[in-house]
Amino acid sequence: QSALTQPRSVSGSPGQSVTISCTGTSSDLGRYNYVSWYQQHPGKAPKVIIYDVTERPSGVPDRFSGSMSGNTASLTISGLQAEDEADYYCCAYAGTYTFLNWVFGGGTKLTVL
Amino acid sequence: QVQLVESGGGVVHPGTSLTLSCRASGFTFSHYDMHWVRQAPGKGLEWVAIISHDGSNRYYADSVKGRFTISRDNSQNTLYLQMNSLRADDTAVFYCAKAEGSYYMDVWGQGATLTVSS
Repeated sequence: QSALTQPRSVSGSPGQSVTISCTGTSSDLGRYNYVSWYQQHPGKAPKVIIYDVTERPSGVPDRFSGSMSGNTASLTISGLQAEDEADYYCCAYAGTYTFLNWVFGGGTKLTVL
Repeated sequence: QVQLVESGGGVVHPGTSLTLSCRASGFTFSHYDMHWVRQAPGKGLEWVAIISHDGSNRYYADSVKGRFTISRDNSQNTLYLQMNSLRADDTAVFYCAKAEGSYYMDVWGQGATLTVSS
């Protein structure tokens, strides 16, 4: 299974909004509404910030939001803050009745200018 | 609090074996499926394997199928990843992660580093 496609980098100034896209196929990202997003600061473990396309875990600021259209999911971060600078990964459940499988995107480095 | 702590990483030669462990605390380990996810140096995340809450079902990424075995001991709240026939491209930080709703990973360990080098 090929990795989902994300831009290698995005940037924005504090207070601005940025959107990170994640493109797959009808066999993975477009198959179910089971897309999650993870934030990873350097040297740290990933942290889930969005699951089931649009849901935010408790404690994640509402500045983070997710959406999906067709085979492309998007993560939008509004009101950028310095601590948002990190790598972001999308992930899609791509399993079938007989085989469970998850596919990650290649990751996007967010720089807060 | 909910916590996952990996151990067992190290430096090994190609073709050898190593087993990683992940000790869970702060939740009822036996109720949850568990994942292994890895990250090669400077690269993105790659899903490796999942095991069901009772150990009855296991699934693997094609890249490790036949070489890696995921297992668990619910009496010890511990997840394992036995890795055989290791290759240089297995070099990575390996994370264990708790499955939530089965379709995403809600808690991650700090990672265990594996280096495969001659």
